[in-house]
Amino acid sequence: AQSVTQLDSQVPVFEEAPVELRCNYSSSVSVYLFWYVQYPNQGLQLLLKYLSGSTLVESINGFEAEFNKSQTSFHLRKPSVHISDTAEYFCAVSDDRNTDKLIFGTGTRLQVFP
Amino acid sequence: DAGVTQSPTHLIKTRGQQVTLRCSPKSGHDTVSWYQQALGQGPQFIFQYYEEEERQRGNFPDRFSGHQFPNYSSELNVNALLLGDSALYLCASSLGHGSSYNSPLHFGNGTRLTVT
Repeated sequence: AQSVTQLDSQVPVFEEAPVELRCNYSSSVSVYLFWYVQYPNQGLQLLLKYLSGSTLVESINGFEAEFNKSQTSFHLRKPSVHISDTAEYFCAVSDDRNTDKLIFGTGTRLQVFP
Repeated sequence: DAGVTQSPTHLIKTRGQQVTLRCSPKSGHDTVSWYQQALGQGPQFIFQYYEEEERQRGNFPDRFSGHQFPNYSSELNVNALLLGDSALYLCASSLGHGSSYNSPLHFGNGTRLTVT
């Protein structure tokens, strides 16, 4: 069965510093990868997704993630974080394009300090 | 454009009781999925409804059941509540069955269920 591992439960950083949130998934022939963000007392919002094509995907608010098949990773990066990026970030995977069933990791709490 | 709405926002129940949670999908969406998010964990897929039928189910016991209405809204029912059922229950909607490839899931803010 497909699984997702988020190696860091918490990542503290100072504002304007770069950040990387790590995500690894179990191997599969084909896989679709997602990053969701959850702000306090809110539901999940899609940040970005990899379905096919270019291995580097970007979000509208400066985050990017790179699909690395050989390392089965989909790490999320941002070159300069803001206070408003403080949230819980979840990596998710699906191995079936015909399903809404996503397998989520346990999440990484990004805390940005001034 | 109304997003996914869930009610109630918070709920406290006693062990052994039954509970019903409600979800209205985003306007234009016809598919509803339910997820359970325990404290400190990622969401876990419970099941998905499309055309008023359960289309896919995760690893949850039969105590968890659901329903979808003709207007695409949905209910999640949990019988014989256990302490371990305490969690945030998230509803997500999309357009078209099995369409997360093309139509991303939109999540509601969830219902916080506490079982005492």
